[in-house]
Amino acid sequence: GENVEQHPSTLSVQEGDSAVIKCTYSDSASNYFPWYKQELGKRPQLIIDIRSNVGEKKDQRIAVTLNKTAKHFSLHITETQPEDSAVYFCAASPTSGTYKYIFGTGTRLKVLA
Amino acid sequence: GAGVSQSPSNKVTEKGKDVELRCDPISGHTALYWYRQSLGQGLEFLIYFQGNSAPDKSGLPSDRFSAERTGGSVSTLTIQRTQQEDSAVYLCASSRGQSTGELFFGEGSRLTVL
Repeated sequence: GENVEQHPSTLSVQEGDSAVIKCTYSDSASNYFPWYKQELGKRPQLIIDIRSNVGEKKDQRIAVTLNKTAKHFSLHITETQPEDSAVYFCAASPTSGTYKYIFGTGTRLKVLA
Repeated sequence: GAGVSQSPSNKVTEKGKDVELRCDPISGHTALYWYRQSLGQGLEFLIYFQGNSAPDKSGLPSDRFSAERTGGSVSTLTIQRTQQEDSAVYLCASSRGQSTGELFFGEGSRLTVL
């Protein structure tokens, strides 16, 4: 089955700096890669996703890159702000058959003002 | 409803007792997921329902765990003979199904086994 590894487990950056979180997956059948943000005490929410037919996707200060050959994908946050502080989870899922989302172990991002 | 609803929000039980956790997904969503989040840990997949298909139970950690989904809507996760290691937040999520897309999570049920 699918296994998703996520690094780092914790990340502290100064406000205004960039943050990068990396994930690797094992199942070559995975074609959909979402990222979820979980603020303290709240439910996870989707912030961006990417499908295997593209290598990069951007949404304002957030971008995700995908290298299907190497089976890894990354989340990039530029110009970080204190409200970006949260736990971020990557996930992988196939796009046919069973749509079982396997999540990484999470990255706790702290943006220092 | 407006979102995924879970109950109870908090449950404290004694070791060895059975517990039931309920999830009411967004109306019209055909896919429903249960995940477990232990303190400071990731989202551990438990079980996935899609329409009338047989559920994917591959993440259930032991035979003390079971789940059902009645009428393609409400789901109940049952943990029998609870153990202290079952203490966690149990998150339910739903999606439109039929393809990959956004998961909408509930607030979770925090289970504490004494």
